[in-house]
Amino acid sequence: GIQVEQSPPDLILQEGANSTLRCNFSDSVNNLQWFHQNPWGQLINLFYIPSGTKQNGRLSATTVATERYSLLYISSSQTTDSGVYFCAVGSGTGNQFYFGTGTSLTVIP
Amino acid sequence: KAGVTQTPRYLIKTRGQQVTLSCSPISGHRSVSWYQQTPGQGLQFLFEYFSETQRNKGNFPGRFSGRQFSNSRSEMNVSTLELGDSALYLCASSPTGRAAGELFFGEGSRLTVL
Repeated sequence: GIQVEQSPPDLILQEGANSTLRCNFSDSVNNLQWFHQNPWGQLINLFYIPSGTKQNGRLSATTVATERYSLLYISSSQTTDSGVYFCAVGSGTGNQFYFGTGTSLTVIP
Repeated sequence: KAGVTQTPRYLIKTRGQQVTLSCSPISGHRSVSWYQQTPGQGLQFLFEYFSETQRNKGNFPGRFSGRQFSNSRSEMNVSTLELGDSALYLCASSPTGRAAGELFFGEGSRLTVL
């Protein structure tokens, strides 16, 4: 299967700071999503971004598929941004996704 | 539009028992996939169903099985439970049957095996 590496594994930020989370993957993909896992375990969709750049409020994401990486930017972080961020990639037929090990973000007031 | 619904949300079983988890996808979604999340192994793909057929299967033993009904609802079953099966089981639905559509996850079923 496809190997997915996320960095950094842990991140502690002061409220208001900016951050960049990275996702590297080992093979060609035709799908990439970023998720935020809330304290109750649900994976919340942030971006569906197989390529290109998207923005949604304080969050934006860029995927460079040819170089096999994606970046998630969080600006002006808030305590509610705390949690684990996952990158997931898919390829081939069907909806089999490979997940990274996540970045655990803590935003302190 | 209602999201992905998983039941039960929490359950406790003992070793050797079996368990059935249910997932109702978003209306109109025909693809349902299942993932297991544990602290040690992270998020791992179990299987995917599309139009009542298993389309992909992850690397799990035969004790893990699933099925999909004509209304796209899906169930997964784990037989002869082991302590290591304790996990959060997440179901996801996708609107597309073609390669790698966008996934939408439910809140999960948290299984504890004693």
